[in-house]
Amino acid sequence: GQQLNQSPQSMFIQEGEDVSMNCTSSSIFNTWLWYKQDPGEGPVLLIALYKAGELTSNGRLTAQFGITRKDSFLNISASIPSDVGIYFCAGPDTTSGTYKYIFGTGTRLKVLA
Amino acid sequence: SQTIHQWPATLVQPVGSPLSLECTVEGTSNPNLYWYRQAAGRGLQLLFYSVGIGQISSEVPQNLSASRPQDRQFILSSKKLLLSDSGFYLCAWNQGSGTEAFFGQGTRLTVV
Repeated sequence: GQQLNQSPQSMFIQEGEDVSMNCTSSSIFNTWLWYKQDPGEGPVLLIALYKAGELTSNGRLTAQFGITRKDSFLNISASIPSDVGIYFCAGPDTTSGTYKYIFGTGTRLKVLA
Repeated sequence: SQTIHQWPATLVQPVGSPLSLECTVEGTSNPNLYWYRQAAGRGLQLLFYSVGIGQISSEVPQNLSASRPQDRQFILSSKKLLLSDSGFYLCAWNQGSGTEAFFGQGTRLTVV
């Protein structure tokens, strides 16, 4: 089945720094979703991407749908302490003919004040 | 606007006891509904999904079952809980294939 590989698995950064994380797959995705999960909470949708090459921003967050449709990245500019959490990429499973979503393993972000 | 409600937020249950977690969606009709489990510090494991009333697809063999008695209600159950059933359970919904999925707040289940 389809898999999504996220990197890095975790990262420590200083407040104010920019952050970049990515998500790759060996197969094509038609939609890329980026979520953030705070401790003890459900994931919250940050950005949805629907077209190859699409670049979308949400405040300090910017995400892009890779041209090959096999990757996506998420950038966070000028990080702040509340950016701490786990970031997941996800996409609908296009190989099984079902309504399932494939989730990456997550990037755990820790911001040092 | 659409909202998703999941309860309870936390639950501590003894081994061998039954389980019932409920999820409801408001503001939409005929949603696709999902139950996920998340172990501490880990990713999301899909347990069940449903595309309509009474239609349940199971992803992994386990001690749990799911039901969808009404269009916007999704229930996760167990007759006898095991220690390994502990985890963070998340309900999610979306509208149609390939659209964004939205999650509930989750239920932290501890089996003791």
